[in-house]
Amino acid sequence: ILNVEQSPQSLHVQEGDSTNFTCSFPSSNFYALHWYRWETAKSPEALFVMTLNGDEKKKGRISATLNTKEGYSYLYIKGSQPEDSATYLCAFQGGGADGLTFGKGTHLIIQP
Amino acid sequence: GAVVSQHPSWVICKSGTSVKIECRSLDFQATTMFWYRQFPKQSLMLMATSNEGSKATYEQGVEKDKFLINHASLTLSTLTVTSAHPEDSSFYICSVTTPATSLGADTQYFGPGTRLTVL
Repeated sequence: ILNVEQSPQSLHVQEGDSTNFTCSFPSSNFYALHWYRWETAKSPEALFVMTLNGDEKKKGRISATLNTKEGYSYLYIKGSQPEDSATYLCAFQGGGADGLTFGKGTHLIIQP
Repeated sequence: GAVVSQHPSWVICKSGTSVKIECRSLDFQATTMFWYRQFPKQSLMLMATSNEGSKATYEQGVEKDKFLINHASLTLSTLTVTSAHPEDSSFYICSVTTPATSLGADTQYFGPGTRLTVL
């Protein structure tokens, strides 16, 4: 059974502050690491798909890094805004045609 | 990215009845769709891989005779929960896999999910 862990489970951050959270995953049989942002009653929104060790991707104020050798990825949010409040999911993919193995998510609340 | 819809968004049924959930890819022809479910306080768990024109592949522990998957066209996959029981109450969500997009490698786009409650 694959183990994908996310920490922290939940996080309260003041508006304007920067924050980051972690995803750990198996370092063997790696194909890709996916990050999603999930707001209640909406579809999960794909943020990043990362495949190469050392990858660093950015989308606006959100960025992510990948270390496949040690099996972790960080997601960073710079200058948090209330609209960043959501659950952030990471998911491990072991093969190109495979489904995803998800962590339980980090529930982020931005306080005005 | 691909736009995926699900119907219904929620359903309540009596124990012993069957429920069908539809997953539609609105702007992309999907040869492969995935079905996941999420129990309270748990992560999304892959149930099965739905392949257009062929039998679905089920994950270990998922009963194929209970969760019937039909992927008859490139835009529609259905999941039928047969003889539903209260323990089948869960959040069911589907995804469509697309070739490499602006995000990089193959990306999975999700529907909004279906909340099933079995009384």
